[in-house]
Amino acid sequence: DTEVTQTPKHLVMGMTNKKSLKCEQHMGHRAMYWYKQKAKKPPELMFVYSYEKLSINESVPSRFSPECPNSSLLNLHLHALQPEDSALYLCASSEGLLNGEQYFGPGTRLTVT
Amino acid sequence: QKEVEQNSGPLSVPEGAIASLNCTYSDRGSQSFFWYRQYSGKSPELIMFIYSNGDKEDGRFTAQLNKASQYVSLLIRDSQPSDSATYLCAVEREYGNKLVFGAGTILRVKS
Repeated sequence: DTEVTQTPKHLVMGMTNKKSLKCEQHMGHRAMYWYKQKAKKPPELMFVYSYEKLSINESVPSRFSPECPNSSLLNLHLHALQPEDSALYLCASSEGLLNGEQYFGPGTRLTVT
Repeated sequence: QKEVEQNSGPLSVPEGAIASLNCTYSDRGSQSFFWYRQYSGKSPELIMFIYSNGDKEDGRFTAQLNKASQYVSLLIRDSQPSDSATYLCAVEREYGNKLVFGAGTILRVKS
């Protein structure tokens, strides 16, 4: 099974809402990633978890809060977002850290109103 | 200078032709190089990776790496309309535990 799943596929939220994005993989990968992708731009790294511990935070605003409950699951908690945060949020996983062979989920299309 | 540079395109090739996609990078210590394909509205999909100088072939795809020139390329032989997508070059930094993506090249294969 080489699949990374993400829910929901689409999310519309107001600036005062709290919501969460979920990601799951069953490939036994030990590194998981959150990326943000704006239209016609490449993916932009947000967070990296390795062995369930936060390894990299690319200076992401605190209104984005990642969580890794176990080796298969990755969440991204959203609170008080801005309209400019509207984007495609991608989850990815790899066998280990420093591994560019990453498998991406289908993404969550987020719209902040 | 951007860390990873690609021509944004679009690169238009006729069906059956060879499509040549190019990428240069600035971190001389980088050791690992990747090509991802992204269809419109979809997520990136890893199609090739290369770690050593020279060529690496997989089906219709050939990745080429020249570390001295800091240059990576992807050749797609017998291009098909289904190959029409954005191709992202990605380079693993020597330090920083990070995969850096180029802006991507849009490929259009015309039937």
